[in-house]
Amino acid sequence: DTGVSQDPRHKITKRGQNVTFRCDPISEHNRLYWYRQTLGQGPEFLTYFQNEAQLEKSRLLSDRFSAERPKGSFSTLEIQRTEQGDSAMYLCATTGGDGYTFGSGTRLTVV
Amino acid sequence: DQQVKQNSPSLSVQEGRISILNCDYTNSMFDYFLWYKKYPAEGPTFLISISSIKDKNEDGRFTVFLNKSAKHLSLHIVPSQPGDSAVYFCATSNFGNEKLTFGTGTRLTIIP
Repeated sequence: DTGVSQDPRHKITKRGQNVTFRCDPISEHNRLYWYRQTLGQGPEFLTYFQNEAQLEKSRLLSDRFSAERPKGSFSTLEIQRTEQGDSAMYLCATTGGDGYTFGSGTRLTVV
Repeated sequence: DQQVKQNSPSLSVQEGRISILNCDYTNSMFDYFLWYKKYPAEGPTFLISISSIKDKNEDGRFTVFLNKSAKHLSLHIVPSQPGDSAVYFCATSNFGNEKLTFGTGTRLTIIP
């Protein structure tokens, strides 16, 4: 139990389809982050929320990506018109203490 | 541009010996440094951190060293145990900005 639950754990989708991932922190956290990890790379920052407000977005987050955090609790990340380059592990995290608490991630495969 | 580099993609160490993982960074504005451990199909888990005002931080078997002039940090694990086999990422940030910049990772294999 990492304190951050992500659903689904795995998603296989056809190119061009839309996908949505969900992140549920178990306890209340003001800040929530999304990162993406591709094969052979470290996690890369995508975006973060302070409560409901999306305060920063990476240039990696093209206009096909949208993230929300209604009510400042759970968050969703949607990718529209998926491309093969979107295949990656999508990680959600909250902060506290010495560092982040990451979820187990959602592995997206676009075929 | 890769601001945080881990030049060794993999490392194998005998059980009981010392494991040394290295990390170099280019941005002198980074002032907080962390190490994360990642098992397959799981998210990274926090190991140990160090701020730029220190040059060493210890936590049990784990010690992180920071050389600011060289923009280099290292993680020492001693003694190494089979459960330490994982991918290790170094990460950096600025105080006041929690966004992390990760290295590419080093896969550590502990040989029994």
